[in-house]
Amino acid sequence: GAVVSQHPSRVICKSGTSVKIECRSLDFQATTMFWYRQFPKQSLMLMATSNEGSKATYEQGVEKDKFLINHASLTLSTLTVTSAHPEDSSFYICSVRTRNYEQYFGPGTRLTVT
Amino acid sequence: AQSVTQPDIHITVSEGASLELRCNYSYGATPYLFWYVQSPGQGLQLLLKYFSGDTLVQGIKGFEAEFKRSQSSFNLRKPSVHWSDAAEYFCAARSRGGNTGKLIFGQGTTLQVKP
Repeated sequence: GAVVSQHPSRVICKSGTSVKIECRSLDFQATTMFWYRQFPKQSLMLMATSNEGSKATYEQGVEKDKFLINHASLTLSTLTVTSAHPEDSSFYICSVRTRNYEQYFGPGTRLTVT
Repeated sequence: AQSVTQPDIHITVSEGASLELRCNYSYGATPYLFWYVQSPGQGLQLLLKYFSGDTLVQGIKGFEAEFKRSQSSFNLRKPSVHWSDAAEYFCAARSRGGNTGKLIFGQGTTLQVKP
């Protein structure tokens, strides 16, 4: 299966600052990547679909100006949490979908906003 | 609306015992079906998937799942659980018809393994 990496694995930032999370597809050129958010003891919530070379598609209720997504290349997508607040603290997971319809996930990034 | 339901939030089994995790889906047509496992603080690992064909699907780590159209179910099973199987398990589904469509997750089942 596809190998997906995320960086950083953990980040602590102060309220009001911005944080960038990188997602890389290491062995597969992904035209589409997905960003999920997961609260403790809960399931994954799709935030947005990241398309290489075009704007991301955000799910209803997700603020596109707060969660900036850039899909700069076929192997890299970034999620920037702008003006972070404590309620943005969460586990963020990216995912890629292969051409045979399988979906693989990164190890996740734990964001803590103080 | 499309949905995936995992009726059991938490399951505890003894090591060496058999395991069955339930999953039901509600879709207009049979979707693609997946089971993922998540260890604490980690991402999701694909255990197995069902697209078509044989309704009994073999996966990694000794897991299998059976697709039952009549019951709209895709239950995960393992004949003998190991302590390392303790984790969160997610059932997921996606509509057929190309490689588009969102992956919809169930609520997850936490598996605890007693020694």
